[in-house]
Amino acid sequence: ETGVTQSPTHLIKTRGQQVTLRCSSQSGHNTVSWYQQALGQGPQFIFQYYREEENGRGNFPPRFSGLQFPNYSSELNVNALELDDSALYLCASSSRTPGTDTQYFGPGTRLTVL
Amino acid sequence: AQRVTQPEKLLSVFKGAPVELKCNYSYSGSPELFWYVQYSRQRLQLLLRHISRESIKGFTADLNKGETSFHLKKPFAQEEDSAMYYCALPGGHTDKLIFGTGTRLQVFP
Repeated sequence: ETGVTQSPTHLIKTRGQQVTLRCSSQSGHNTVSWYQQALGQGPQFIFQYYREEENGRGNFPPRFSGLQFPNYSSELNVNALELDDSALYLCASSSRTPGTDTQYFGPGTRLTVL
Repeated sequence: AQRVTQPEKLLSVFKGAPVELKCNYSYSGSPELFWYVQYSRQRLQLLLRHISRESIKGFTADLNKGETSFHLKKPFAQEEDSAMYYCALPGGHTDKLIFGTGTRLQVFP
């Protein structure tokens, strides 16, 4: 069984730039959730994708967008980067089957915006 | 609004001492609560969920609806328990999780 993977591991961008983060879900999982974890804080929900459709969104502006592909992998795109976007971005995959809906997290992508 | 509060940023104990990591929640209805753990240089992983009523690595957590708490307990701490612990609850119709700010547990030899 392959776990959740994320790329890249680290990324440095400047204000105003755009970034794409990638996530491969665990084998057998059809749901991907993205979280932002600022320093010293718990993860905050950005949005979730289920069967290639957005299935819920947290309190993040529209410049945070995403995609899910037929193989259930996912991308998080952030436009017009701001300094406050500097954080660890976590991807979690799960199955929608009741009783097996535990979210499994990837190692994260650390984004630094200068 | 749904919310999770972990009042302690840091909890330091000696090996063999009892541990209690506090978690209080605000939720309308019957919540399912989780404890996630992040060991040094490892990813966030599920430690336990209240619905399964399991004891994982000696840790237990009991849901107290009257006090809206889900404290994590272990009678005898081990050095390998040193980690960051997050309490979480589900946030609505999706599977999203609402996390607390976390408590760092340090277990000294």
